[in-house]
Amino acid sequence: GAVVSQHPSRVICKSGTSVKIECRSLDFQATTMFWYRQFPKQSLMLMATSNEGSKATYEQGVEKDKFLINHASLTLSTLTVTSAHPEDSSFYICSARDPKVNTEAFFGQGTRLTVV
Amino acid sequence: AQSVTQLGSHVSVSEGALVLLRCNYSSSVPPYLFWYVQYPNQGLQLLLKYTSAATLVKGINGFEAEFKKSETSFHLTKPSAHMSDAAEYFCAVSEASASKIIFGSGTRLSIRP
Repeated sequence: GAVVSQHPSRVICKSGTSVKIECRSLDFQATTMFWYRQFPKQSLMLMATSNEGSKATYEQGVEKDKFLINHASLTLSTLTVTSAHPEDSSFYICSARDPKVNTEAFFGQGTRLTVV
Repeated sequence: AQSVTQLGSHVSVSEGALVLLRCNYSSSVPPYLFWYVQYPNQGLQLLLKYTSAATLVKGINGFEAEFKKSETSFHLTKPSAHMSDAAEYFCAVSEASASKIIFGSGTRLSIRP
């Protein structure tokens, strides 16, 4: 199947700083990417849908000014957590859909963010 | 709006026993349905998917699921559990080929020796 690479896999940052997470589709072009957040022992909660070349669509309750999403190319979407707080500590996972295999989404390996 | 409900947050079976993980869905249009597995601190791996073709779907690692429209169910089964099957399992639904995927709350599968 197609490969989605997420970087970094783990990051620790100080409160008040910003951190960027990258999601790349390595062998296909993804017109749509999705960002999820997962708390320990819980399910994946969709944060936003990212469409190449346009503004992301955020789910209800997700602060768009805090979680900045950019999808500047067909193979890269980024999530920036701005002015991070300890409560932003979580596991963030991206996924991308391949238009050629459009019934399936491919997931990155996730990023463990710890804000201290 | 679409949603999935997974019955049972934790299921424990003996090695070699039948695995049954339950999932019911809600969707206003014919759904695409998925089962994913997640190992600790890792991403998701697709086990199988239903996309309006055969109602009995076979996936990887011996898993299969049956789409039952009358029951709005998509339960996951495996005839004989293996220790390596211990993981978190998520049922998910999507309304269209390129739309967002919504996940259930997950079921943790434990395997007893």
